[in-house]
Amino acid sequence: GENVEQHPSTLSVQEGDSAVIKCTYSDSASNYFPWYKQELGKRPQLIIDIRSNVGEKKDQRIAVTLNKTAKHFSLHITETQPEDSAVYFCAASSGNKLVFGAGTILRVKS
Amino acid sequence: NAGVMQNPRHLVRRRGQEARLRCSPMKGHSHVYWYRQLPEEGLKFMVYLQKENIIDESGMPKERFSAEFPKEGPSILRIQQVVRGDSAAYFCASSLHLPQGRAYNEQFFGPGTRLTVL
Repeated sequence: GENVEQHPSTLSVQEGDSAVIKCTYSDSASNYFPWYKQELGKRPQLIIDIRSNVGEKKDQRIAVTLNKTAKHFSLHITETQPEDSAVYFCAASSGNKLVFGAGTILRVKS
Repeated sequence: NAGVMQNPRHLVRRRGQEARLRCSPMKGHSHVYWYRQLPEEGLKFMVYLQKENIIDESGMPKERFSAEFPKEGPSILRIQQVVRGDSAAYFCASSLHLPQGRAYNEQFFGPGTRLTVL
């Protein structure tokens, strides 16, 4: 089955700097790659997603890149703000269930 | 437009009791997924259901756990004879139905039920 690995497990950046979180997946049949943000005690919220027929997608300060050959995808957050502090999860799916990475705790220091 | 609803939000049970967790999908969504999140860990898939059908239960423990999504009413995740290791946050997600009979990829999560087993 699918296995998703996520790095780093924790990431501290200075406000205004960029943050990059990377994930790799194992199942070449996976074709959908969402990223979720989860604040303490809250539900995971979809922040951006990408499908396998696209290499990059951007939404304001957030971008995701996908390399299908290497089976890895990354989340890029530019101009980080304190409210970006949360746990970020990547996931991969080939149709039904989402297989999640272990999460990255992002701390933005002001 | 209400999102995915879950209740109760917090549930405390003693070892050996039963826990019933409810999930109402978003309006128009007919696919429901249950995930479990242990403290400081990621989300693990448990089961995927459509109305009156279990499609994939590969992530659900074979014993004590069951799930249903009846024709009318919410989806129910039932845990019998709970043990301390069942303490976790249980999240439900829902997605749209595609005309081809498949589920749309994008899943929306409910607020979760935090189960504590004493």
